[in-house]
Amino acid sequence: SQQGEEDPQALSIQEGENATMNCSYKTSINNLQWYRQNSGRGLVHLILIRSNEREKHSGRLRVTLDTSKKSSSLLITASRAADTASYFCATDTGRRALTFGSGTRLQVQP
Amino acid sequence: SAVISQKPSRDICQRGTSLTIQCQVDSQVTMMFWYRQQPGQSLTLIATANQGSEATYESGFVIDKFPISRPNLTFSTLTVSNMSPEDSSIYLCSVDAVRGVAGTDTQYFGPGTRLTVL
Repeated sequence: SQQGEEDPQALSIQEGENATMNCSYKTSINNLQWYRQNSGRGLVHLILIRSNEREKHSGRLRVTLDTSKKSSSLLITASRAADTASYFCATDTGRRALTFGSGTRLQVQP
Repeated sequence: SAVISQKPSRDICQRGTSLTIQCQVDSQVTMMFWYRQQPGQSLTLIATANQGSEATYESGFVIDKFPISRPNLTFSTLTVSNMSPEDSSIYLCSVDAVRGVAGTDTQYFGPGTRLTVL
């Protein structure tokens, strides 16, 4: 079964708006990673946040991690049509293999 | 980071046949993994490919159906055996822990192999 759930399952916004995706997981983790997947292609790594970190930034991306609530969020600011994709969180519980969340399909309308 | 290639990128196969997917990395890596992504779904781990020993399979996946080889630190294969339409998925390999690079927890994915079984 999936380690985590993501919400929303689908999100449609206008270009320039911010998009927030949430991820919840069930067990203790070493790190949590966010990925983007365009239309059934390979996964592009976006950002990794370790269990002792609370927030990380990379360009227009901001990731938060709350280990007490076993949850993470990915914020994409000033979204662009090219951000249209599926976004997945994935957790590493220490055995290096990742357990993926259910994913959020983001549609950015031009 | 690691650059990963997979062959084939896609294939259409007949029921009952087998397909071997290759995964090549441009760096020596400690860990290699195989995942499956069924249509419209998230990724599920099939197995960890261990160099020099048998792969470690997740619950629900068995060696007879998904034999895996890993002859060295840069290459692995996954075979999907005796295929049925339910095996139609994207199969992805991933790596982490590039050898000699400290603190490498990021896991990188190949472009995937899109398999359709008729």
